[in-house]
Amino acid sequence: DGGITQSPKYLFRKEGQNVTLSCEQNLNHDAMYWYRQDPGQGLRLIYYSQIVNDFQKGDIAEGYSVSREKKESFPLTVTSAQKNPTAFYLCASSIHRASYEQYFGPGTRLTVT
Amino acid sequence: EDKVVQSPLSLVVHEGDTVTLNCSYEVTNFRSLLWYKQEKKAPTFLFMLTSSGIEKKSGRLSSILDKKELSSILNITATQTGDSAIYLCAHFGNEKLTFGTGTRLTIIP
Repeated sequence: DGGITQSPKYLFRKEGQNVTLSCEQNLNHDAMYWYRQDPGQGLRLIYYSQIVNDFQKGDIAEGYSVSREKKESFPLTVTSAQKNPTAFYLCASSIHRASYEQYFGPGTRLTVT
Repeated sequence: EDKVVQSPLSLVVHEGDTVTLNCSYEVTNFRSLLWYKQEKKAPTFLFMLTSSGIEKKSGRLSSILDKKELSSILNITATQTGDSAIYLCAHFGNEKLTFGTGTRLTIIP
């Protein structure tokens, strides 16, 4: 089956700890994206990568970091510097940077207490 | 900075009603406007509208782009409980999507 997987579905962490969210795709897509969704705020872009070993900040990158060492993987680290990390995190991919059609993973709900 | 605004934020209607969801955009260089449906987790693509394709229809769902008013509407006729979801509007430009806040639609049986 082709698609995007995110793990885990639910994640709980204590304040002050870094946590890494996984995103893997087997669609052979070049571009990958991370979004954050809060109630009443839609999706906001955190980071995106259009090619391996390259990534750009989105609209709300502060407190997050990413890497893109392999085409199929784009992990997101939520650092202790992120003030309000509790949210629903969605990963997406598209065939290339100019493609409007993004395919979304099932998401990870992160709760930090 | 591109901006997309949706209204209403939430809407509750009875099964069989027709609904209209609104999306307005303020962007530096319009490319395309997209509609997504998000039921539980991953948003799924519904329509894409561009300057050369301003009207789309699929079954009971249809969408129109108004280039003069910088807005789009999503119509759903004869609503069913399965239409309950968050509907997201997004502008695709500068190789990324800018989403609106979404409209949460609830259909009462």
